[in-house]
Amino acid sequence: DQQVKQNSPSLSVQEGRISILNCDYTNSMFDYFLWYKKYPAEGPTFLISISSIKDKNEDGRFTVFLNKSAKHLSLHIVPSQPGDSAVYFCAGRKYNFNKFYFGSGTKLNVKP
Amino acid sequence: NAGVTQTPKFRILKIGQSMTLQCAQDMNHNYMYWYRQDPGMGLKLIYYSVGAGITDKGEVPNGYNVSRSTTEDFPLRLELAAPSQTSVYFCASSYGGMTEPTRHYEQYFGPGTRLTVT
Repeated sequence: DQQVKQNSPSLSVQEGRISILNCDYTNSMFDYFLWYKKYPAEGPTFLISISSIKDKNEDGRFTVFLNKSAKHLSLHIVPSQPGDSAVYFCAGRKYNFNKFYFGSGTKLNVKP
Repeated sequence: NAGVTQTPKFRILKIGQSMTLQCAQDMNHNYMYWYRQDPGMGLKLIYYSVGAGITDKGEVPNGYNVSRSTTEDFPLRLELAAPSQTSVYFCASSYGGMTEPTRHYEQYFGPGTRLTVT
């Protein structure tokens, strides 16, 4: 039973434009979400997080939006750069638990 | 700081063999995790630990064992390797804690171990 879903396996965007990566979750007990970026042959690296008490969090070119009623979050990258080409995972945490559930990832390709 | 280190980087096992994947962190993190990533899939939690001497099962613990005798080390043991355990294994650590806005939940990952069982 997949509790975090990333339904788009891949996304291609032109350099300088906006990239929007989507993530859906099924468990209303999730209270914290993280986005990770992963390059080939490397471990994932933390990108940005959001608590369920917020609906938006920004860090430079990266903004995460959370819509709790829709159980949906999205990561916006503006402007997109070729170095952003990677696989992006979202992950959710159940309240008061120490386990994170990861989506299957979206491969972003930013074309120069 | 080396962060999270994993050894070996690659390994090929025959069915029925055993091995230990090593993981160490030098950030004095309380929490450590083992994940596996199968092709085209997300990361699945195998085991995790909230401190030395304390471990708990994740989503896919069958066929694996862990121990946590020190804060730094969290080895993953595979007994009787099976082809279904062919995967990339990632170890991660985090400070843990329950307070915002600090990024205590942020997990730092090692580079991974690519394991093939034939």
